[in-house]
Amino acid sequence: DIQMTQSPSSLSASVGDRVTITCQASQDISNYLNWYQQKPGKAPKLLIYDASNLETGVPSRFSGSGSGTDFTFTISSLQPEDIATYYCQQYDNLLSFGGGTKVEIK
Amino acid sequence: EVQLVESGGGLVQPGGSLRLSCAASGFTFSSYWMSWVRQAPGKGLEWVANIKQDGSEKYYVDSVKGRFTISRDNAKNSLYLQMNSLRAEDTAVYYCARDRYSSSWPVGMDVWGQGTTVTVSS
Repeated sequence: DIQMTQSPSSLSASVGDRVTITCQASQDISNYLNWYQQKPGKAPKLLIYDASNLETGVPSRFSGSGSGTDFTFTISSLQPEDIATYYCQQYDNLLSFGGGTKVEIK
Repeated sequence: EVQLVESGGGLVQPGGSLRLSCAASGFTFSSYWMSWVRQAPGKGLEWVANIKQDGSEKYYVDSVKGRFTISRDNAKNSLYLQMNSLRAEDTAVYYCARDRYSSSWPVGMDVWGQGTTVTVSS
């Protein structure tokens, strides 16, 4: 099984700050990685697929990068509506999610 | 409108059974891998199971193997999850989700239902 390790588990930042979340896979997954946003009480929403491709309709302040075992998710300028928990997910071997990163406003 | 609507959740005693359903609309259901994903109270997302377009391949997370069965009825545009021998740790919101494009292998999900809550408790 492929384990996905996300860090940090939570962070607090100011509006306008650059926010970075990392995700590490337990083995090489090429670019088979997605990023999701989940707001409280809601279903997850796909933001980034294939590690770096922005899903249609998602604001350009969200971006992703990486390949192999190390991946990064970035919000270039944090907005109040970005308060949520973010998850990485690999699909190289079955499916599995990282533990999540809760993003709060400072 | 592309939509997934889950039903069938509820309160069940440990060792009991429950069958979840997911009704799909607005897209060609038979063209997509489909998944169940759950989220325990205050916890993260956990993929549970998925099924290929024609039902010929099914995969499960280790913790539910032998207890849960995923199935689909393409004629009824419906996905199911039969859950047997339920445990307290199966308590969660269960989401039905569609793969993000029609592929020979699952690539992650772009359409999600609103979730249905399963509580396993005596």
